[in-house]
Amino acid sequence: NAGVTQTPKFQVLKTGQSMTLQCAQDMNHNSMYWYRQDPGMGLRLIYYSASEGTTDKGEVPNGYNVSRLNKREFSLRLESAAPSQTSVYFCASSPITGTGNTEQFFGPGTRLTVL
Amino acid sequence: AQSVTQLGSHVSVSEGALVLLRCNYSSSVPPYLFWYVQYPNQGLQLLLKYTTGATLVKGINGFEAEFKKSETSFHLTKPSAHMSDAAEYFCAVSESGNQFYFGTGTSLTVIP
Repeated sequence: NAGVTQTPKFQVLKTGQSMTLQCAQDMNHNSMYWYRQDPGMGLRLIYYSASEGTTDKGEVPNGYNVSRLNKREFSLRLESAAPSQTSVYFCASSPITGTGNTEQFFGPGTRLTVL
Repeated sequence: AQSVTQLGSHVSVSEGALVLLRCNYSSSVPPYLFWYVQYPNQGLQLLLKYTTGATLVKGINGFEAEFKKSETSFHLTKPSAHMSDAAEYFCAVSESGNQFYFGTGTSLTVIP
């Protein structure tokens, strides 16, 4: 099992450009998440998908859109990138919806720089 | 909303010394609690988790944590630090399972 995979690993954008970060998991998990990690701020939830066909906003959704393409894939789109979106982005998945005792499995991250 | 406080953004210990990383949470109901470790340029890995039952939880690599409801704490300890323990550690809490709230992290340095 590859677990949670993310592409690309690194990306540099100019302000105003758009891009999509891809995430896939092969563990048959119901729930998937997108976080951003900034120095001194820990991980902040951008969007999550509790199950295929549903998505919900997290703590910092502005400037982002998501698509739960199928059970395996959950993409994050920046329509018009801004320097404030320079960050490390992590995708995660977890197997059970609606209970609090489920661990999350994380991908290796995407380092995004917006100039 | 939940909040998680990790006291000390940087902790340094000597090799072989006790590791203590602090985590306090706010919750009106019994939460689910987690500690994750992040090695440089990697994603987060689960160290241990508390759901229900025994309040002392053992994890991987010799780490353990104790859930103290009266103190709303879930501190992480390891009796003897190893060089390979140098990493960033995150405490996280969840109530419903669909959202997890992370602390700001503690960077652990192990001095030879």
